[in-house]
Amino acid sequence: DAGVIQSPRHEVTEMGQEVTLRCKPISGHNSLFWYRQTMMRGLELLIYFNNNVPIDDSGMPEDRFSAKMPNASFSTLKIQPSEPRDSAVYFCASSLKRRLGAISGTEAFFGQGTRLTVV
Amino acid sequence: GQQLNQSPQSMFIQEGEDVSMNCTSSSIFNTWLWYKQEPGEGPVLLIALYKAGELTSNGRLTAQFGITRKDSFLNISASIPSDVGIYFCAGQPGNNAGNMLTFGGGTRLMVKP
Repeated sequence: DAGVIQSPRHEVTEMGQEVTLRCKPISGHNSLFWYRQTMMRGLELLIYFNNNVPIDDSGMPEDRFSAKMPNASFSTLKIQPSEPRDSAVYFCASSLKRRLGAISGTEAFFGQGTRLTVV
Repeated sequence: GQQLNQSPQSMFIQEGEDVSMNCTSSSIFNTWLWYKQEPGEGPVLLIALYKAGELTSNGRLTAQFGITRKDSFLNISASIPSDVGIYFCAGQPGNNAGNMLTFGGGTRLMVKP
């Protein structure tokens, strides 16, 4: 398996521009997560999908951020308009929500991330 | 915000030394995971723990799920230079019916050859 694939790896854009980050989860996984990582705040969960449906978007910073998952093999995170404080590394992760007896499986596998710089 | 307290924040050790780091929480967790992140890469899963008291090894790494379900530790024995990176604990809270993980702040490990 190729693992979680994110594109682009690096993005430099001017303030006010629209930015779209892309993610292809591991085939067969039914949960997808978008995280943001900064030195100050560490890894923050932005939004979580299960079976292509957004379950929790309470981590999305503000209305400038939106995420979609039109099918099981693709998701996007869009920032419009972008601001310098959005500069961070954005990670996509996927997992297979399953039950092992009375225990749920929760291992999340991460992509290599997109390093976003807004100038 | 983060609910997991991970310590230490950083460690600078000599090659060959053993390493120990831990995570604690004020609430119960159903699952504990340990990840390692190297520069320019995403976190890579090292060990997954699902039951209170569970002790699991992966090569030189050993992790345990605390009996109270509120803590976990990761030990690395006989460290080598390639152990350098940031180690994160992550957990699924007990009141979370979904798959969401909460991450600790990370432990930055530096190994001197």
